[in-house]
Formats: sequence, C-alpha cells, structure tokens
Amino acid sequence: DVKVTQSSRYLVKRTGEKVFLECVQDMDHENMFWYRQDPGLGLRLIYFSYDVKMKEKGDIPEGYSVSREKKERFSLILESASTNQTSMYLCATVGRGSPLHFGNGTRLTVT
Amino acid sequence: DQQVKQNSPSLSVQEGRISILNCDYTNSMFDYFLWYKKYPAEGPTFLISISSIKDKNEDGRFTVFLNKSAKHLSLHIVPSQPGDSAVYFCAASAAGGGADGLTFGKGTHLIIQP
Repeated sequence: DVKVTQSSRYLVKRTGEKVFLECVQDMDHENMFWYRQDPGLGLRLIYFSYDVKMKEKGDIPEGYSVSREKKERFSLILESASTNQTSMYLCATVGRGSPLHFGNGTRLTVT
Repeated sequence: DQQVKQNSPSLSVQEGRISILNCDYTNSMFDYFLWYKKYPAEGPTFLISISSIKDKNEDGRFTVFLNKSAKHLSLHIVPSQPGDSAVYFCAASAAGGGADGLTFGKGTHLIIQP
C-alpha cells in the first residue's frame, strides 16, 4: 500500500516567514505533486516533479518553490509566507498504472 | 478557464437512496477520469476511475458513467450510507494516468441524511 507522509498536519506561521512543507513517499515513484485545496476552488496544482532535481510549474506556482534532492522526498517552500497562502496543502505521488495517491495534508495558517 | 466543472457545490440525499454526482469537462483531450472522496482534515482518497474507451465502470455501490459526446460523467452511489458524507472531486487527465497531474473540479459536498 502506498504511503505518502507529510511531516506536519497543522502549521501556524507569521507573514514573511520562510516555510518548508515536507513530503516523503515509500513507493519509489518518480512523479510527485503539490496541490493546495481551498473551499470553493477545489484542488489546484502548484508544482510537480518527474525525477530527482527536476521540477515543473503547475497552474499556480507564484509564491512557491520546490526541491527534489532525493527521489522519495519532495519539499514545498514558501519563501515569504503571506496570508493568502493560508490553505490545505496536499502532496501526492503516482506510479505506472496507479491513480494519484495523496498524503493526509498540511493545514497551514499564515497570520 | 475551468476545464472540469462540478456545478453542484452540495447535494443532500436520504440514506438508502441513490446519490448522483455530476461532472462536465471541456477539454476533448481528456482520456482518463477519476473520482476522489475527501473527509475533513484528510487527504483525498481514490474511489473509482474510467478510461475513455469505456462508458461505464462499476465497483460495489459505486458506478461511474461516461458520456463522451456530451463531455459528461456521473458517479452513482447506491444505496447511500452515512459514511458516504464527504466532498467528492471529479478529476481528469490527458496523459492516460495522471503523470502530469490531474485537473480537478471544485468538488461537491454530499450530505447523507438519516
């Protein structure tokens, strides 16, 4: 069974802080994704990665960056957190022939 | 421009009856469709999928129907149970399996009334 682990379930940060959201998967999948979920807006793709050190912008990359130094780990970085980045952040991974599998999410509040 | 649309933000159904959740899409390149279920404070979990070569896929109480000419799919849940109360997301992919990520609808909150 695929396991996608997000390091924090809840985070509270101040405006302007640098924020790291960590995600680890245990299935040796190449493809990893970061989405954010907001009420009434659904899930929106921020960034994704096909392989180590590789990244691609999704639909809403502004204000975010990512890091993929190891295959199993995909980090989302908010360089300078803002209140409009308060959201539920979801990491996901997909392997050949399998559907997208999500972690439990990180609820980030920026005050 | 919204490529995957779920026009009902919420739906209330009596326990034991059929729940029908609808989804429309605009991108004719989409060839793989999925439904995800999400409880509060949890990540979405995969429910059922359908490829564009089929028009129906069934898994227990869940059936997904695809009408390619109308660019419409629906999820039927029969019979509805209290544990089905959740937000349901329709998703689509043009890569056959989500390798480029999925395009999601905004979700429908299904409420099963006792």
